[in-house]
Amino acid sequence: DTAVSQTPKYLVTQMGNDKSIKCEQNLGHDTMYWYKQDSKKFLKIMFSYNNKELIINETVPNRFSPKSPDKAHLNLHINSLELGDSAVYFCASSLNRAYQETQYFGPGTRLLVL
Amino acid sequence: KQEVTQIPAALSVPEGENLVLNCSFTDSAIYNLQWFRQDPGKGLTSLLLIQSSQREQTSGRLNASLDKSSGRSTLYIAASQPGDSATYLCAVRGRSGGSNYKLTFGKGTLLTVNP
Repeated sequence: DTAVSQTPKYLVTQMGNDKSIKCEQNLGHDTMYWYKQDSKKFLKIMFSYNNKELIINETVPNRFSPKSPDKAHLNLHINSLELGDSAVYFCASSLNRAYQETQYFGPGTRLLVL
Repeated sequence: KQEVTQIPAALSVPEGENLVLNCSFTDSAIYNLQWFRQDPGKGLTSLLLIQSSQREQTSGRLNASLDKSSGRSTLYIAASQPGDSATYLCAVRGRSGGSNYKLTFGKGTLLTVNP
């Protein structure tokens, strides 16, 4: 009965390919996030959506495009994958965008670009 | 730009020891500070959330303190157990310069509790 789930858990692909990572939350939350954790273990926000509306968009290359078909889903599509995209990508959600709300994280998707 | 630093980067202790993990942040304009636990190959689990108006929060053997003016927080773990072994991450939610709603994380402290 996972609260925040991501698929796939592992993704190994060649440079130049296009891939998608899916995220779903069954908590009834309004706000969802994508984070990237690089090889140095720094966890950084990439995007945030509140009720399907983009509210945070960090300086992420245009090759990364989030899509929120409904407030329970926030998918991440990556075009023309590069070696530097190799990282662990975490999805998270919170009840709403209010600052006092705790974020709940998914298990992560480990992406390796060869 | 907010920067979060955690010291030490790694800590190894015998079971039963009390320990303190440190977190410092450069911009004191924050809404709150949160401590997370990350187990290998898994996501993050929220441990404690301290609002900027609070001084500390407690949950079981965990106690987190916040000194916003000096930009510091500590996570105290009492009577450590092998099951506490994990990476502990500190994150602050900023309230200035477009950082609203955004969590800024430290690199974490890798804790190993030896039986």
